[in-house]
Amino acid sequence: DTGVSQDPRHKITKRGQNVTFRCDPISEHNRLYWYRQTLGQGPEFLTYFQNEAQLEKSRLLSDRFSAERPKGSFSTLEIQRTEQGDSAMYLCASTLQPNEQFFGPGTRLTVL
Amino acid sequence: EDKVVQSPLSLVVHEGDTVTLNCSYEVTNFRSLLWYKQEKKAPTFLFMLTSSGIEKKSGRLSSILDKKELFSILNITATQTGDSAVYLCAVEANAGGTSYGKLTFGQGTILTVHP
Repeated sequence: DTGVSQDPRHKITKRGQNVTFRCDPISEHNRLYWYRQTLGQGPEFLTYFQNEAQLEKSRLLSDRFSAERPKGSFSTLEIQRTEQGDSAMYLCASTLQPNEQFFGPGTRLTVL
Repeated sequence: EDKVVQSPLSLVVHEGDTVTLNCSYEVTNFRSLLWYKQEKKAPTFLFMLTSSGIEKKSGRLSSILDKKELFSILNITATQTGDSAVYLCAVEANAGGTSYGKLTFGQGTILTVHP
């Protein structure tokens, strides 16, 4: 257990539904990252927060994806109008410095 | 676009064998290279390398970076069944003098250690 928690751990939804995931980073960590990992691939960067500011977003992040980190603590990742191609493991990581990142257990999304 | 390539993609060995995993990269404004171990859950940190030629060691695992040839290796000696996992290599780049810490991962090497 790295101290980063994610909820839910698993989510099954029907195509077209909206889903929201939550990440609680290690409390003193000011940097928070979201990654997406599909089977047989390494994680792909989605977005990055420093405190409450979203400083970078990947081109992978379509308009259907939005992330927030109110008050610089927990973060949420919402996917609107889910598609089957959104099925993946969504990983959250946090760090105090831009080096070693501590990953949460992930949320596995299945879109039917 | 930053790129990380790992080889082999999979490896099957017996307990006690020594393995070498490879990671090559192309990145603008390299800052660091990291190795992670991933079992059926989140990646766990192994090493961070920033300087060429300096070996990092942790028990039976060691890693070294060559910034001239743009690659790193991860060695595992006297492998055990508990070493079975996916080993991920990632690079971090500086963006305009500032590091955001964004990691670009390779595909991973699946290591299977049989008793």
